[in-house]
Amino acid sequence: DAGITQSPRYKITETGRQVTLMCHQTWSHSYMFWYRQDLGHGLRLIYYSAAADITDKGEVPDGYVVSRSKTENFPLTLESATRSQTSVYFCASSVGVGGLSEQFFGPGTRLTVL
Amino acid sequence: AQTVTQSQPEMSVQEAETVTLSCTYDTSESDYYLFWYKQPPSRQMILVIRQEAYKQQNATENRFSVNFQKAAKSFSLKISDSQLGDAAMYFCAYRSAYINNDMRFGAGTRLTVKP
Repeated sequence: DAGITQSPRYKITETGRQVTLMCHQTWSHSYMFWYRQDLGHGLRLIYYSAAADITDKGEVPDGYVVSRSKTENFPLTLESATRSQTSVYFCASSVGVGGLSEQFFGPGTRLTVL
Repeated sequence: AQTVTQSQPEMSVQEAETVTLSCTYDTSESDYYLFWYKQPPSRQMILVIRQEAYKQQNATENRFSVNFQKAAKSFSLKISDSQLGDAAMYFCAYRSAYINNDMRFGAGTRLTVKP
C-alpha cells in the first residue's frame, strides 16, 4: 500500500549539476504531475503527463525535463541545476485530470542547489 | 491566467473553537472547480473538500465546510470544533473547467491550533 512515493526526500547539489527526482505510484493512475512549492507561491505546475510517453508543459517548465516510459514512474530531471531551482518538489497522480478529480500527492523532495 | 489569493498567511484557533480561512480568486470563466488541501508537517498534501462552481449548495465534509460566494469569487473554509491535528498549511486551489491541467494554488495559510 505504498501509494505515491518520491525519492530522495532531501537532496543537496551544486550549481550546474544534473539531478533527477524520482516519483513512483502504485495505483496505475493515468495522470501524473510535478509541482514546485516556494514560499509565497503555493504550488506551481512544472510538467504533467496524461499517460506513458505523453507529457506536456505546465506553468514553470524552463530548466526541467521529464519522461514517462512506464505508467508508474515519472522522473523529473534538472539538466543543469540553478540556485533558483531550490525548492520543494511534489509529485502527484490522479485517475482523471478535470472536474473534481482528486490529485494524490507524494511526500515531496526538498532540493537545495548551492 | 487565474489567480488565487489567500490573504491570511497565518491564523490561530483555540482547540474546540471554529476558524474560517479566506480564499478569493480571479477568473472570467463561468465554470470551474475549487478545492482546499491540507499540508501537515509531514508535507504530504491531503484533499479536504471540493466544490463545483455551478452548485449553489456549499460542500461539507464532517467538521469542514465551505462558504462559496460565486459573485464575490470567494471560497472560504470553515473548520468547526478545531482539533490539534488540524494544525497545518491550508491551500486553496482553482481548476478551470476548460483547461484540465490548469490547477492554480494560493500561497497558503498556516493554521495553529492552541490547546
